[in-house]
Amino acid sequence: QQPVQSPQAVILREGEDAVINCSSSKALYSVHWYRQKHGEAPVFLMILLKGGEQKGHEKISASFNEKKQQSSLYLTASQLSYSGTYFCGTGLEGAQKLVFGQGTRLTINP
Amino acid sequence: NAGVTQTPKFQVLKTGQSMTLQCAQDMNHNSMYWYRQDPGMGLRLIYYSASEGTTDKGEVPNGYNVSRLNKREFSLRLESAAPSQTSVYFCASSEAPHRPPYEQYFGPGTRLTVT
Repeated sequence: QQPVQSPQAVILREGEDAVINCSSSKALYSVHWYRQKHGEAPVFLMILLKGGEQKGHEKISASFNEKKQQSSLYLTASQLSYSGTYFCGTGLEGAQKLVFGQGTRLTINP
Repeated sequence: NAGVTQTPKFQVLKTGQSMTLQCAQDMNHNSMYWYRQDPGMGLRLIYYSASEGTTDKGEVPNGYNVSRLNKREFSLRLESAAPSQTSVYFCASSEAPHRPPYEQYFGPGTRLTVT
């Protein structure tokens, strides 16, 4: 079942903060975050694993609430380059695949 | 390193025609994936291959077939194209979702239109 992302879209001014949420009805082993710019391929941002391990880019932060099966991606002091569509991908324990959410479109204005 | 390459980049088909989308990776990854992306639907998994010699259905496999030709190459075939298959198709590869380095690397995509 596809995870649900919220909000579907957000518009910010440069320097403002944003939070993007990802929620699943299944017991997750991992949550992956990707960003896709218009006309390009998705690019990996970070992964959060059950048990607390995280790996990703230094300027990106996220959390994973294992009890609620929810993850949040925090974008602070946003820059124009942060614009794009953000996807979460969820993985179950032992699974060899991810299921992606429908995406959150982030627009950063000067 | 080229990463993940896909051919063709654009394709227009008529209903009922067949075609094969090609994907190759040069990162020695075990797992490869085919996704389709439609507006508002995110990335939906069509088929995947966890390792050479194995393939499995994803969320939307109907109307498609795949072949893991070798460790590098994973092709997607549309036997009889339908307008509902108009989409952007992405191939991706990774070591495995839960093994370092974790991330999936995506190809540039194929934009397919079926008329």
